[in-house]
Amino acid sequence: DVKVTQSSRYLVKRTGEKVFLECVQDMDHENMFWYRQDPGLGLRLIYFSYDVKMKEKGDIPEGYSVSREKKERFSLILESASTNQTSMYLCASSFWASGSSYEQYFGPGTRLTVT
Amino acid sequence: DAKTTQPPSMDCAEGRAANLPCNHSTISGNEYVYWYRQIHSQGPQYIIHGLKNNETNEMASLIITEDRKSSTLILPHATLRDTAVYYCIVRPPAFNTGTASKLTFGTGTRLQVML
Repeated sequence: DVKVTQSSRYLVKRTGEKVFLECVQDMDHENMFWYRQDPGLGLRLIYFSYDVKMKEKGDIPEGYSVSREKKERFSLILESASTNQTSMYLCASSFWASGSSYEQYFGPGTRLTVT
Repeated sequence: DAKTTQPPSMDCAEGRAANLPCNHSTISGNEYVYWYRQIHSQGPQYIIHGLKNNETNEMASLIITEDRKSSTLILPHATLRDTAVYYCIVRPPAFNTGTASKLTFGTGTRLQVML
């Protein structure tokens, strides 16, 4: 079974703090993704990475950065947390092969509250 | 990516088949139809995907109409554990790593399985 794990299920941080969310996958997937999920807005893509040290902005990258130093690990960084970043954060991973289509596997999510 | 339309909610009696419809009238010839579900407080779970032909796996069946403008996800014997939000997504295969495998989630169908 593919396993995508996230470092915390629940996290409470203060405004202005630097926050790290970690994601690890064990299936040697090329692609990794960070989404956030808010009521009424569905899942929105923040950033994705298609290889080590490679990244691309998603739909809502403002206020976030990412790091992928190893293939299995993808980190989401909130440089200075704000209350509007309170949300559920979901990590996902998938294979990639040109012209093919592969499903994404999701982690359990991290519910982040910024006070 | 093509947009999808799903009913906001459905009920189903336990043990009966749950048939979840999805309209994707603007789908392109190379776009796949994916189904995911999200059980409360968990990350989305991949169910099934298809291009033109009907597909079946251990979880569900996917029926795609001949013109590919709509599809139906069938859970043959729904149980209480199938209560979740079900998302229908269409997207093309990625031909280079830059475009990758982005998923655009809508608001889905909330399926309630009842005793």
